[in-house]
Amino acid sequence: DAKTTQPPSMDCAEGRAANLPCNHSTISGNEYVYWYRQIHSQGPQYIIHGLKNNETNEMASLIITEDRKSSTLILPHATLRDTAVYYCIVRWNSGNTPLVFGKGTRLSVIA
Amino acid sequence: DTGVSQDPRHKITKRGQNVTFRCDPISEHNRLYWYRQTLGQGPEFLTYFQNEAQLEKSRLLSDRFSAERPKGSFSTLEIQRTEQGDSAMYLCASTLGPLSYEQYFGPGTRLTVT
Repeated sequence: DAKTTQPPSMDCAEGRAANLPCNHSTISGNEYVYWYRQIHSQGPQYIIHGLKNNETNEMASLIITEDRKSSTLILPHATLRDTAVYYCIVRWNSGNTPLVFGKGTRLSVIA
Repeated sequence: DTGVSQDPRHKITKRGQNVTFRCDPISEHNRLYWYRQTLGQGPEFLTYFQNEAQLEKSRLLSDRFSAERPKGSFSTLEIQRTEQGDSAMYLCASTLGPLSYEQYFGPGTRLTVT
C-alpha cells in the first residue's frame, strides 16, 4: 500500500469548513483513497473513499487531484463533535485488505 | 454504536498473566479483523478471519498471541505471559465480505499491564 503524509494537527472554527490535506504521491492506479476518523476513546469510523472522481456523502466531500497524488477531505460545516483524529489511507483494492493507518491529523474544532 | 461489541472494555493485569478478549461482530459479517493501537499512534493490523479461517497474521502477532473464531461468529484474542509492552488498545472490526469497503470498529479493549 502507498504511504500517506498528513499534517499532525489542525484547528478549525466551528461552523467553518475544515479542509484536511493528504499526500499520497506513490499511489498506484488501482489504489483507493479512504478516510477514517477516530473520536477520543472510540474505534475508528469510516467517512468516505474514492478512486479518481470527487465524492460526496452526508458526512464529507473528498477531492482527489487529477494526478491522484494528493487529496483533501472537506467537512463543510465543522462542529465540536468533529474534533477527532482523521486518517487518510491508501488501499490496494476496494475493501478486503486490512487498513494501514498512519498517525493521522488531529483536528480540533474550536467554538 | 456500530454494532460491534468488545469485552471487556478495560483490563488491568500483572506482567506474566494471561488475558483473553472477546469481539462480537455484526451478525452477518463474515470478515473480522484485530488491530492494536498504542498511545499517539494509529491502529496496527494484527490478524483477520474469513468466517472461521484465519487468513493473515501480521509480524506483530508474536507467539504469545493467539486468535480464534471457532464458529465464524465471535472471536477471541489471547495474550499469554503479558509484558508491559502489550499495554495498548485492542480493536476489533468487521465487514460483510470481500467486496465491502467499510470496516465497522468496536469500542476497543484497553489493556494495562503493570
